[in-house]
Amino acid sequence: AAGVIQSPRHLIKEKRETATLKCYPIPRHDTVYWYQQGPGQDPQFLISFYEKMQSDKGSIPDRFSAQQFSDYHSELNMSSLELGDSALYFCASSLGQYNEQFFGPGTRLTVL
Amino acid sequence: GQQLNQSPQSMFIQEGEDVSMNCTSSSIFNTWLWYKQDPGEGPVLLIALYKAGELTSNGRLTAQFGITRKDSFLNISASIPSDVGIYFCAGHSANFGNEKLTFGTGTRLTIIP
Repeated sequence: AAGVIQSPRHLIKEKRETATLKCYPIPRHDTVYWYQQGPGQDPQFLISFYEKMQSDKGSIPDRFSAQQFSDYHSELNMSSLELGDSALYFCASSLGQYNEQFFGPGTRLTVL
Repeated sequence: GQQLNQSPQSMFIQEGEDVSMNCTSSSIFNTWLWYKQDPGEGPVLLIALYKAGELTSNGRLTAQFGITRKDSFLNISASIPSDVGIYFCAGHSANFGNEKLTFGTGTRLTIIP
């Protein structure tokens, strides 16, 4: 069965640079979520989209923005990167807003 | 914000042993989900629970949605080497519009040779 696809899998950036992470949900899933997971931590919710509209917002820095496109894929844009942004970033998708979420393999972002 | 307390933090067991872990919350949750995560990989959904009192099995895994809606447990029977990893509970808060998942702190399972 098709799973959530994330790209790139690994990304290395310098401080103050920008990064764009992409997420392709499971086909027919209409809701996308972004989570950030630091080393040894549990995933922390950043933001979600349902039918291309932002539906919930967590502890996402103002330097980050995201959107969901007409084909339901989503992009997380990160600007003015800081060392503390180094983490695993996961995208998850679900069919409907309150159903089980399926996670992608993640993007490991390293900020130097 | 809301927190899920998950215990134990870590477990060291021998192959073939049964495992039990649980999650508690100070507030009510509408759903409880259990995930397993391997290092550097995304969490993989193991079991989803939607009703208070619900008991669901998936192979050697059994999970229950607590009757108070504030807790859940996961049992693994006859553990095998591929069970090694970090197990997270997660849930949807009962607050309307709160579709994000709140995660527990994780239980790291290690199998001693």
